[in-house]
Amino acid sequence: AQSVTQLGSHVSVSEGALVLLRCNYSSSVPPYLFWYVQYPNQGLQLLLKYTTGATLVKGINGFEAEFKKSETSFHLTKPSAHMSDAAEYFCAVSDWAQKLVFGQGTRLTINP
Amino acid sequence: EPEVTQTPSHQVTQMGQEVILRCVPISNHLYFYWYRQILGQKVEFLVSFYNNEISEKSEIFDDQFSVERPDGSNFTLKIRSTKLEDSAMYFCASSELGSKLAKNIQYFGAGTRLSVL
Repeated sequence: AQSVTQLGSHVSVSEGALVLLRCNYSSSVPPYLFWYVQYPNQGLQLLLKYTTGATLVKGINGFEAEFKKSETSFHLTKPSAHMSDAAEYFCAVSDWAQKLVFGQGTRLTINP
Repeated sequence: EPEVTQTPSHQVTQMGQEVILRCVPISNHLYFYWYRQILGQKVEFLVSFYNNEISEKSEIFDDQFSVERPDGSNFTLKIRSTKLEDSAMYFCASSELGSKLAKNIQYFGAGTRLSVL
């Protein structure tokens, strides 16, 4: 069975600071990995995805994530936080079986 | 940009009542999904649907739940007799027919918040 663990249910950073949201996964097969973002009163929006190939993937809004198989991690980063990045972020894994398994979510707060 | 739309945004119902949550997937998508998120908990898979039948369902998706694609555009989730523990945000998603990868890129609606009193 697959699982995802997001370390930190709430992360707070200052505007302009580095954003690091942690995600570790467990999968018995090579996984597809995703980060979704949810802004207030909106749906889950795909930020980026890893399937195969390059382990550093870039997404929308300046976010990127690196797949590290040896560490079973897929951490999300952004060099410089913006106030508009405040949202809930979800890491998810798929084993190609058409269902996504989500982590608990991390609420990102940006301090002015 | 095409999007998945869900109605209503908030549904309040009495315990034991039937509810139908509605979703309009992206028009060229053929795989459909329901997920739910109980407050403070993970987003959980409920069911996937393709070619007018259920592809996969979780253990949460018991006999109280059913899904239907009544016409060419809507995809519905019915809960026959709601319980207090059904209170949650319900998300609909859809993905394209195609490669294994395409099927796994799911586009989500804004959700329906179901409150069972």
